Amino acid sequence: GQNIDQPTEMTATEGAIVQINCTYQTSGFNGLFWYQQHAGEAPTFLSYNVLDGLEEKGRFSSFLSRSKGYSYLLLKELQMKDSASYLCAVMDSNYQLIWGAGTKLIIKP
Amino acid sequence: DADVTQTPRNRITKTGKRIMLECSQTKGHDRMYWYRQDPGLGLRLIYYSFDVKDINKGEISDGYSVSRQAQAKFSLSLESAIPNQTALYFCATRTGTGHTGELFFGEGSRLTVL
Repeated sequence: GQNIDQPTEMTATEGAIVQINCTYQTSGFNGLFWYQQHAGEAPTFLSYNVLDGLEEKGRFSSFLSRSKGYSYLLLKELQMKDSASYLCAVMDSNYQLIWGAGTKLIIKP
Repeated sequence: DADVTQTPRNRITKTGKRIMLECSQTKGHDRMYWYRQDPGLGLRLIYYSFDVKDINKGEISDGYSVSRQAQAKFSLSLESAIPNQTALYFCATRTGTGHTGELFFGEGSRLTVL
């Protein structure tokens, strides 16, 4: 079966750096997405990786290793507004998105 | 105003009732999707549509039906609601120029079936 694994919850301190991991097993691979979802709100797009390596976008970076079935989202200089759930999703060989359950990130002052 | 609008935002209903959730978008996208989100689970695809004449079942279509009334409108129906359909429902759109564009989500419709 297809599976996306990510930690259920993480806690970090304001101003620090946090890395949220995502491992996947899917039938084929056509890219990996990260979305941010604040409580009670809609998910919003953060990043897309289809090739191995690191993609940097401001305070957020996303890394992909296709051979290891692994990605991480790196958040730097954490702010209180970064408290949210972070959803990892993989597009399989049929171009269907398989979603992880999300990682709830709690930022403490 | 939101680019993807869902109505109603909240609904409480009883088992056996027919419910319709509506979605409209101003982004001009061809591709529209309905997902449900449950605590501890990833988003699950119910139905999707690539244009007005194209409707496709997703992972969990049983108990649901959809209608694509126009490019901008995609509605989800529960013909006879049951308690395990209690969930947060999201409509989403994506540009039709490729498979890997980002999804734009509506604000969600929280449905409770008693």
